[in-house]
Amino acid sequence: DAKTTQPPSMDCAEGRAANLPCNHSTISGNEYVYWYRQIHSQGPQYIIHGLKNNETNEMASLIITEDRKSSTLILPHATLRDTAVYYCIVRGATRRSGGGADGLTFGKGTHLIIQP
Amino acid sequence: GAGVSQSPRYKVAKRGQDVALRCDPISGHVSLFWYQQALGQGPEFLTYFQNEAQLDKSGLPSDRFFAERPEGSVSTLKIQRTQQEDSAVYLCASSLATGKETQYFGPGTRLLVL
Repeated sequence: DAKTTQPPSMDCAEGRAANLPCNHSTISGNEYVYWYRQIHSQGPQYIIHGLKNNETNEMASLIITEDRKSSTLILPHATLRDTAVYYCIVRGATRRSGGGADGLTFGKGTHLIIQP
Repeated sequence: GAGVSQSPRYKVAKRGQDVALRCDPISGHVSLFWYQQALGQGPEFLTYFQNEAQLDKSGLPSDRFFAERPEGSVSTLKIQRTQQEDSAVYLCASSLATGKETQYFGPGTRLLVL
């Protein structure tokens, strides 16, 4: 799975949109972009994923550039409860032949702090 | 429906003790994953089951770590002769079918080895 690069931390004012960037310049054609977040002392929580097109759900929007080398997670109206570490993960659509790790590869993520 | 549950939530062990950590995946989920998360780091993959078959154990750090899922539902991660470096949060996740779908995580078990 391709490697991702995220800023270590970001601040955002409560009520504003939080835009979290992720670079994945080595992504290949069949790899999806996933976003998870982890609130302190909890397990990671799935947010959204996409392949080529922009995606939106009740939690967030995912914007993927046309060349797919980067993406942005958007939380449209951030609240204090959105303070968490956000992980951008690239993952293939099928299991690798011949074995290899099937788990998600987490980096260090972005620690998003929502300021009141 | 109910999410992934793990027990115990916290475990303190003396160095050299054996521990067993339990994971109850979402009902009907075929795939189950274990991860280890050290303080300040992202989770790291340990092992993967599809039903009762352990298809990938490439992330287990040593032969002191052993996982099983005998009936294809509940899974147990066992750590023998615990060491201080085993102190971490152990996370379990499940997904619906082949393991490439979205994974849903439990709250984790925080293990402290003294």
